[in-house]
Amino acid sequence: DVKVTQSSRYLVKRTGEKVFLECVQDMDHENMFWYRQDPGLGLRLIYFSYDVKMKEKGDIPEGYSVSREKKERFSLILESASTNQTSMYLCASSTKGWPYEQYFGPGTRLTVT
Amino acid sequence: GEDVEQSLFLSVREGDSSVINCTYTDSSSTYLYWYKQEPGAGLQLLTYIFSNMDMKQDQRLTVLLNKKDKHLSLRIADTQTGDSAIYFCAEIIYSTLTFGKGTMLLVSP
Repeated sequence: DVKVTQSSRYLVKRTGEKVFLECVQDMDHENMFWYRQDPGLGLRLIYFSYDVKMKEKGDIPEGYSVSREKKERFSLILESASTNQTSMYLCASSTKGWPYEQYFGPGTRLTVT
Repeated sequence: GEDVEQSLFLSVREGDSSVINCTYTDSSSTYLYWYKQEPGAGLQLLTYIFSNMDMKQDQRLTVLLNKKDKHLSLRIADTQTGDSAIYFCAEIIYSTLTFGKGTMLLVSP
């Protein structure tokens, strides 16, 4: 079974804190993704990575950065958390080729107070 | 428009068929996908269809694709209460997925 795990299910942080969200996949997938999910807005792509040390901006990268030092691990970093970053964060991974099936982790619900 | 469009809500009775509709944007999308999200969980890939197919059946699930109208549908036969969830359609553009906002399916006994 494909397994994508995320470091926390629930996280509460204060405004201005630096926040790290970790994602690990065990399928040797080349591609990894970070999304945020908000009511009424669906899933929006923040960043993705198609190889170690490579990253590409998605639709809403502002306020976020990412790190991919190892193939199996993709980290999302909020340099200075703000209340408008309160959201559900979903990590996914996929193979490099067709049909690009994406497999998702369980999500991290982040609350910034 | 630029968005993948889905109706927001569908309510059915247990045992009925459910049909969830989706309109996508890019006629060059090679694959189209259906995902399911149960409360508090991540997204689970249900099925996908290659763009040169009109139909794909997988047990209780039937996917229909109308490329001319850029319309995708997911039919769930004999819907069960365990099928209650949010269903997302998605298209692939380059190597990233664009998702619709999801259709909440509520199945009543």
